[in-house]
Amino acid sequence: SYVLTQPPSVSVAPGKTAIITCAGDNIGSYSVHWYQQRPGQAPVLVVYYDNERPPGTPDRFSGSTSGDTATLIIGRVEAGDEADYYCQAWHDGVVFGGGTKLTVL
Amino acid sequence: HVQLHVSGPGLVKPSETLSLTCTVSGDSGSTYYWSWIRQPPGQGPEWIGYIYYSGSVTYNPSLKSRVTISVDTPKKQFSLKLSSVTAADTAMYYCARASGGATTGYCDDWGQGTLVTVSS
Repeated sequence: SYVLTQPPSVSVAPGKTAIITCAGDNIGSYSVHWYQQRPGQAPVLVVYYDNERPPGTPDRFSGSTSGDTATLIIGRVEAGDEADYYCQAWHDGVVFGGGTKLTVL
Repeated sequence: HVQLHVSGPGLVKPSETLSLTCTVSGDSGSTYYWSWIRQPPGQGPEWIGYIYYSGSVTYNPSLKSRVTISVDTPKKQFSLKLSSVTAADTAMYYCARASGGATTGYCDDWGQGTLVTVSS
C-alpha cells in the first residue's frame, strides 16, 4: 500500500517559517492536499491541489510538490497555527500521512 | 459549504455491525463524493470510502470486505455499515464532503465526528 511519511513534530518560533514535509513514492505526480486539526476538532482543509487555498486560509499557507516530497510552508507563524497537520493524496484510494504536530515556541 | 451531522450509537459490541448516518444540510449537489473517514485515538485519519450521488462506491481496500456505504438522496443522508467490529475499530468517525474528482479529490467540509467505542 502507498505510504505518506511525515515528521512527527516540527517546532518554530513565532514570526518564523514552518516547513512540514510529506514523503511518498513519486508524490509529485499526484494532487496533494493538506489539513489542519486542532485538539478536539475535525480536520480543516488548508491547501488543496498542491498549492491552492480555500476561502479563509491565510496566504501565509502555501504548498509545493516535487519528486518524492510534498511540502506545506507556513510563513510568519502565529500561536494559533499550533495544530496537527496531515497531507493527503490518492493512490488506490484516499491516503493520509501520519501527521505532524506543529509547536509554536 | 454544507453542514454534516453524524448520528448513531457510540458503543458497539465486538462482532456486531457499526451503523452511522450522516445528514447533509446545504449544498448537496451532484458533483460531490460523500465520504467516511475515521481517526483512532492519537492517530491520523483513515479513509473508509465514499459514495457518489449515483450510488457508485469506492472503498478502502483494507476495509472493503466489511464496509457498506449507501445514499438516500431525497433524505440528504448517506450511511456507513461496518461489520464484524473489533476493538481496533474504536475511533472518531467523520463524514465529509469531497470535491475535485474521484482520484484527485479533497475533503472541504467535515462533520463534527462521533466517537464509536467497540466494547462488550
